[in-house]
Amino acid sequence: NAGVTQTPKFRVLKTGQSMTLLCAQDMNHEYMYWYRQDPGMGLRLIHYSVGEGTTAKGEVPDGYNVSRLKKQNFLLGLESAAPSQTSVYFCASSSTLRAYRHQPQHFGDGTRLSIL
Amino acid sequence: DAKTTQPTSMDCAEGRAANLPCNHSTISGNEYVYWYRQIHSQGPQYIIHGLKNNETNEMASLIITEDRKSSTLILPHATLRDTAVYYCITTDMEYGNKLVFGAGTILRVKS
Repeated sequence: NAGVTQTPKFRVLKTGQSMTLLCAQDMNHEYMYWYRQDPGMGLRLIHYSVGEGTTAKGEVPDGYNVSRLKKQNFLLGLESAAPSQTSVYFCASSSTLRAYRHQPQHFGDGTRLSIL
Repeated sequence: DAKTTQPTSMDCAEGRAANLPCNHSTISGNEYVYWYRQIHSQGPQYIIHGLKNNETNEMASLIITEDRKSSTLILPHATLRDTAVYYCITTDMEYGNKLVFGAGTILRVKS
């Protein structure tokens, strides 16, 4: 059971380049999330999705776009990468069962992104 | 901003209980207390959560004070593999089940 898989694991970009980070989950979860983590800090929510075709802004959405065309995938895009976006990016997913609302988030292993 | 306050770091001897405190004095009535941990820059891992009753699972116990303004995560027999950053998070799990992470507590388990 793979859980939450992030692709790629590492990437180095030049300022101004674009790229897409892919998150895939095989748990049939409705909710998916993208976070970033800078050194010595906790995770900060970038964008999230409560279902296929829907996305919403989190705490630090500027400079990023997302798409959720399929339930199992959540894509994070950087249109014009900046050095300030150097970070570790984590994807997570969770279920929302109406009989038991409080479901934990399951995290991937992260994508380490450096922008020069 | 995170709505919890945790010590920056703690040490614990291997085999002893690790007690990690968390203050959440502004918690509202419908907010749960969640604990996650992050081992060596891996993705965070869920540990336990509770509303007002004490909770126990195979990983840990969660003790919430009667006024709900603070809680303690207890790892009963800490091992070296429990060395991690521990995050205490309060959330009402409304639309999107969003979490707000603070800096957490660095727990160092020493032999």
